[in-house]
Amino acid sequence: SQTIHQWPATLVQPVGSPLSLECTVEGTSNPNLYWYRQAAGRGLQLLFYSIGIDQISSEVPQNLSASRPQDRQFILSSKKLLLSDSGFYLCAWSTGTPNTEAFFGQGTRLTVV
Amino acid sequence: DQQVKQNSPSLSVQEGRISILNCDYTNSMFDYFLWYKKYPAEGPTFLISISSIKDKNEDGRFTVFLNKSAKHLSLHIVPSQPGDSAVYFCAASAFRTYGQNFVFGPGTRLSVLP
Repeated sequence: SQTIHQWPATLVQPVGSPLSLECTVEGTSNPNLYWYRQAAGRGLQLLFYSIGIDQISSEVPQNLSASRPQDRQFILSSKKLLLSDSGFYLCAWSTGTPNTEAFFGQGTRLTVV
Repeated sequence: DQQVKQNSPSLSVQEGRISILNCDYTNSMFDYFLWYKKYPAEGPTFLISISSIKDKNEDGRFTVFLNKSAKHLSLHIVPSQPGDSAVYFCAASAFRTYGQNFVFGPGTRLSVLP
């Protein structure tokens, strides 16, 4: 069966520090991978998605970047965090075929102080 | 510009009654619709979905209805249980050449009162 792992679960970082959140998927190959953010009291905003290694689409211009160094690994990064980067970050995967759902990781609560 | 809207931020229902959560979308290219349930500090879990070629899909206590002409869908939970209390997200998907995209609404917080 397929599983998705996301870590860390919580993170407190000072303004201006770098960020690296990692997500890995097991039990499937060539998944579509996604990074979403849920700001306090708001919905899920798509940040990045990827259909393959080094194939990443950015949905929202921001202080963040994403990389996919391996087929089932998706990394969210920032060189210098802003206060506005605080939120709940979610990684997800799908098969990329029509009429299928996305499956989410447990999320990372990031607080920038 | 919100492509998927959930106009009710919250909903309270008595245990045993029906919960109806609504969702509207604007992009006619969407052809697959999903509902997710989310508890605090956890990732959303998939609940039920419907293809644009159908108008109803049922799974146990959960039924999703789709009205394509109105660009509207709804999730019915019958009977509602206290464990159903969570935030429910409506999502829409359109399969594109460059992968499958999922657009989420802002969510509706459902409280089922005992």
